[in-house]
Amino acid sequence: DAGVIQSPRHEVTEMGQEVTLRCKPISGHNSLFWYRQTMMRGLELLIYFNNNVPIDDSGMPEDRFSAKMPNASFSTLKIQPSEPRDSAVYFCASRFKNGRFGGGSFTGELFFGEGSRLTVL
Amino acid sequence: GNSVTQMEGPVTLSEEAFLTINCTYTATGYPSLFWYVQYPGEGLQLLLKATKADDKGSNKGFEATYRKETTSFHLEKGSVQVSDSAVYFCALIFTGGGNKLTFGTGTQLKVEL
Repeated sequence: DAGVIQSPRHEVTEMGQEVTLRCKPISGHNSLFWYRQTMMRGLELLIYFNNNVPIDDSGMPEDRFSAKMPNASFSTLKIQPSEPRDSAVYFCASRFKNGRFGGGSFTGELFFGEGSRLTVL
Repeated sequence: GNSVTQMEGPVTLSEEAFLTINCTYTATGYPSLFWYVQYPGEGLQLLLKATKADDKGSNKGFEATYRKETTSFHLEKGSVQVSDSAVYFCALIFTGGGNKLTFGTGTQLKVEL
């Protein structure tokens, strides 16, 4: 399996520009998570989806941030307009909802992509 | 609410030294517990897990035992290698309800020759 695929791996942009980060979860996974990682704040959950439906977006910092999941194999995180304080590594992760598949034992494992490093100048 | 507390890093050790990274949790009920590892420039990946009290998770020479009485899940390794240098995250989740992992702040480990 290819794993969780994120793009771009690196993006440098100027303040005020729109940024779109993309994620392709592992095929068959039905939960998708967006995280942000910074030195100051550590790893923060921004939003997660079950079966393409946003369940909890309480971690989304501001209205400038939005996330969509139009189908089971694709999600985007958009920042408009971007600001220097948005500079971070953004991770996408996926798993089977509640960590079970086909009635099997709970695993809880979350599979992470390699991240998108965003720098806003 | 649920929370995970890890020892602050960085932890710097010489190769072949013994490693302990402390992790304690606060939760109502009995969660499943995890250690994730993040190597430089990569995403997090599961290292080991334990789903009930007294379970021991192990992988790649690392071990952690789920201690309900002390609400702890300390990570240990008997002899670290330079290749173990990474950031280690403790995390918890409740099975059967909710879908969010609660992560600790992470502990950076540096292993030197």
